[in-house]
Amino acid sequence: GENVEQHPSTLSVQEGDSAVIKCTYSDSASNYFPWYKQELGKRPQLIIDIRSNVGEKKDQRIAVTLNKTAKHFSLHITETQPEDSAVYFCAAKRGNEKLTFGTGTRLTIIP
Amino acid sequence: GAVVSQHPSWVICKSGTSVKIECRSLDFQATTMFWYRQFPKQSLMLMATSNEGSKATYEQGVEKDKFLINHASLTLSTLTVTSAHPEDSSFYICSATKRQGADSPLHFGNGTRLTVT
Repeated sequence: GENVEQHPSTLSVQEGDSAVIKCTYSDSASNYFPWYKQELGKRPQLIIDIRSNVGEKKDQRIAVTLNKTAKHFSLHITETQPEDSAVYFCAAKRGNEKLTFGTGTRLTIIP
Repeated sequence: GAVVSQHPSWVICKSGTSVKIECRSLDFQATTMFWYRQFPKQSLMLMATSNEGSKATYEQGVEKDKFLINHASLTLSTLTVTSAHPEDSSFYICSATKRQGADSPLHFGNGTRLTVT
């Protein structure tokens, strides 16, 4: 089955700086890669996703890049703000199979 | 659109009792619903996949007789934790998809925090 690794487990950045979270996956047939943001005690919320036929996608301050050859994808948050503090999960999926989550990254934005 | 409602949001029960958690898709028909469990500071672990009108598919290590899943309609799935024990205390989250397919996003419920005393 799919295995998703996520790094770092914790990340602290100064407000205004950029944050990058990286994930690798094992199944080369995986073709859907979403990112979720989870605030304490709340549900995960989809913030951006990318399909395998695209190398990069951007939505305002958030961008995701995908390298299929290396089987890794990354989340980039620019101009970070205190409200970006949360736990972020990457995930990977092949076709109709289940979504496999990474282990999460606790992002703290330092004012 | 794509709102998933989960109830209750929290529950405290005594060891040995059963607890039922409901998951409803409010504005769409969910072909598939998923149940996850999340322990503190850990990732979401899939427990089972539930398709309307058929038996749930459980992940390895999840006891199907302990975690009963019913998906009787396209908008409702229930998870019953039977004979709950303190080690079952966790955050249970359901999710639903509108359609099958590689790029169908998951829509999560608010989660249920279960505490077994």
